[in-house]
Amino acid sequence: EAGVTQSPTHLIKTRGQQATLRCSPISGHTSVYWYQQALGLGLQFLLWYDEGEERNRGNFPPRFSGRQFPNYSSELNVNALELEDSALYLCASSLDLAGTGEQFFGPGTRLTVL
Amino acid sequence: AQSVSQHNHHVILSEAASLELGCNYSYGGTVNLFWYVQYPGQHLQLLLKYFSGDPLVKGIKGFEAEFIKSKFSFNLRKPSVQWSDTAEYFCAVNGGNYGGSQGNLIFGKGTKLSVKP
Repeated sequence: EAGVTQSPTHLIKTRGQQATLRCSPISGHTSVYWYQQALGLGLQFLLWYDEGEERNRGNFPPRFSGRQFPNYSSELNVNALELEDSALYLCASSLDLAGTGEQFFGPGTRLTVL
Repeated sequence: AQSVSQHNHHVILSEAASLELGCNYSYGGTVNLFWYVQYPGQHLQLLLKYFSGDPLVKGIKGFEAEFIKSKFSFNLRKPSVQWSDTAEYFCAVNGGNYGGSQGNLIFGKGTKLSVKP
């Protein structure tokens, strides 16, 4: 069974630009979650999508947004990039519709903002 | 807001030593509890989970964890570590819809375990 995949592996942008990160969940999983793993801050919840709808978002500004496509893959967009957005962005997927079960993580996209 | 505390930032052990990593969480309601592991160069993977029932749960690779509700704790243990257990370990809690946190796994800051051969 293929796991969660993310692309690109690495992304380098400059301040003010936009970044787009992509995630494909495990086949059959309808929920996709996004987390930011910044140095010294640990993993922080960004967004949860299920069946194409945003179900919940963490304490991040609106310039962090995303969407989920009909095939359940997802995109995270970060607008007006700031230096502190440099982090590893992890995507996870789950079968659990209530958002309380285990989540399966992808390898992440390393975003560097210069 | 919910929070998860992992007591040790970095633990160094020799092979065959016993391991216990502490984890405490702040939420007093019904919780689902997880330990994830990240081996060097690999992505996060689930070690074990607790949803309900027997508070002593067994996971992969000989790891186990005990849920003590009165102490809000979910400590990870292994009787005898191996060099291959060198990794970063994360405790995580999902408290359902408490405080609008549905879907939100709340992670501790992680504990790096280094096992000397």
